[in-house]
Amino acid sequence: EAQVTQNPRYLITVTGKKLTVTCSQNMNHEYMSWYRQDPGLGLRQIYYSMNVEVTDKGDVPEGYKVSRKEKRNFPLILESPSPNQTSLYFCGVGGYSNQPQHFGDGTRLSIL
Amino acid sequence: DQQVKQNSPSLSVQEGRISILNCDYTNSMFDYFLWYKKYPAEGPTFLISISSIKDKNEDGRFTVFLNKSAKHLSLHIVPSQPGDSAVYFCAARKTGANNLFFGTGTRLTVIP
Repeated sequence: EAQVTQNPRYLITVTGKKLTVTCSQNMNHEYMSWYRQDPGLGLRQIYYSMNVEVTDKGDVPEGYKVSRKEKRNFPLILESPSPNQTSLYFCGVGGYSNQPQHFGDGTRLSIL
Repeated sequence: DQQVKQNSPSLSVQEGRISILNCDYTNSMFDYFLWYKKYPAEGPTFLISISSIKDKNEDGRFTVFLNKSAKHLSLHIVPSQPGDSAVYFCAARKTGANNLFFGTGTRLTVIP
């Protein structure tokens, strides 16, 4: 079964404490991406990766880092989280050449 | 600058009737459009898509219509069922790109 797995699903933390949200896939897709969903704004892309060691900024990259050291994993790193990064985050997989992206179940982050 | 817009935040429909969800876009470079359905505490699930070379795509109870001159697409669900109650997101992709631009979503409630 095709799966996109995000961890943790929920996290409450404090400003400045580094955190990592993991995303793994078993679909062998080269393309992976991160989105955040905020009320009234829909989903906005943070970063994406075309392949291992190839990453690029999306529409709202400020305050985030990513890495792609292996094909199946694409972690999202918040080096110094701030309250404006409180949001619902989704990892997307696939979507190349008129194929749909598939999403994980989301990670709800609250930064106090 | 919201390039994909869903102007109706919510829609209520009686079971068995037609649901029509609308989406407008501003960027003429978009050539592939998708609809996603989202239940609470889950990620968006791909529903149906349409390429800009078509004006209609049908899959069971779901039909998407594309009017390129008006930069408008719509999703028709016939007949609507209570299990269709969810938030529906319209998304679009530019030629040669992978990242999706999402609308803000429409919450559909199908009343039994």
